[in-house]
Amino acid sequence: GAGVSQSPSNKVTEKGKDVELRCDPISGHTALYWYRQSLGQGLEFLIYFQGNSAPDKSGLPSDRFSAERTGGSVSTLTIQRTQQEDSAVYLCASSLVPGFSGGTGTDTQYFGPGTRLTVL
Amino acid sequence: AQTVTQSQPEMSVQEAETVTLSCTYDTSESDYYLFWYKQPPSRQMILVIRQEAYKQQNATENRFSVNFQKAAKSFSLKISDSQLGDAAMYFCAYRPLGGATNKLIFGTGTLLAVQP
Repeated sequence: GAGVSQSPSNKVTEKGKDVELRCDPISGHTALYWYRQSLGQGLEFLIYFQGNSAPDKSGLPSDRFSAERTGGSVSTLTIQRTQQEDSAVYLCASSLVPGFSGGTGTDTQYFGPGTRLTVL
Repeated sequence: AQTVTQSQPEMSVQEAETVTLSCTYDTSESDYYLFWYKQPPSRQMILVIRQEAYKQQNATENRFSVNFQKAAKSFSLKISDSQLGDAAMYFCAYRPLGGATNKLIFGTGTLLAVQP
């Protein structure tokens, strides 16, 4: 079936503008994750959704960052008043189930192709 | 706090040869998952292999295998018969078992070049 999709693929914006990044998880996946990959860095966790609720928002870097998930499917990551340090690739991942899967692999996170955000 | 360290920023291997990528991690947990992900220039993160810490047997997936040393907190990836398509950034990742979060904790990656 279709994998995780993200849009837009690339986004260029001016400092101070708001941006919305979209993630469509694999159909049926209940868990959804956002990560950020800054230039030359590894990936850092931003937020985790189980259904429409977010049990872990600990990675959101500031209150300019927010995310929501509706209908247990699509998620939107919003960055308000963008800053140059927000420039990065934002990756979304989904998994069928979170947590322990008894070795079945159904908790494996599958990633989308990411959105490259450039703040001028 | 759990951390993942990849001490080799770049590696190079000849086509058809074998290469080993290193990863160490720090945790006080006894049960967890470990992963290797591959990221080619397309940016798509692709799962290469996973290991459950409660399994003593090393995971293998075709040409990819791991050497999991739980006591040493080491999780290296061996790629046999390297192919040009293996060239990519490789990330080692840790995930705790259970708990409120299921986030992956990543290392900083190893860029693998494959020479023809």
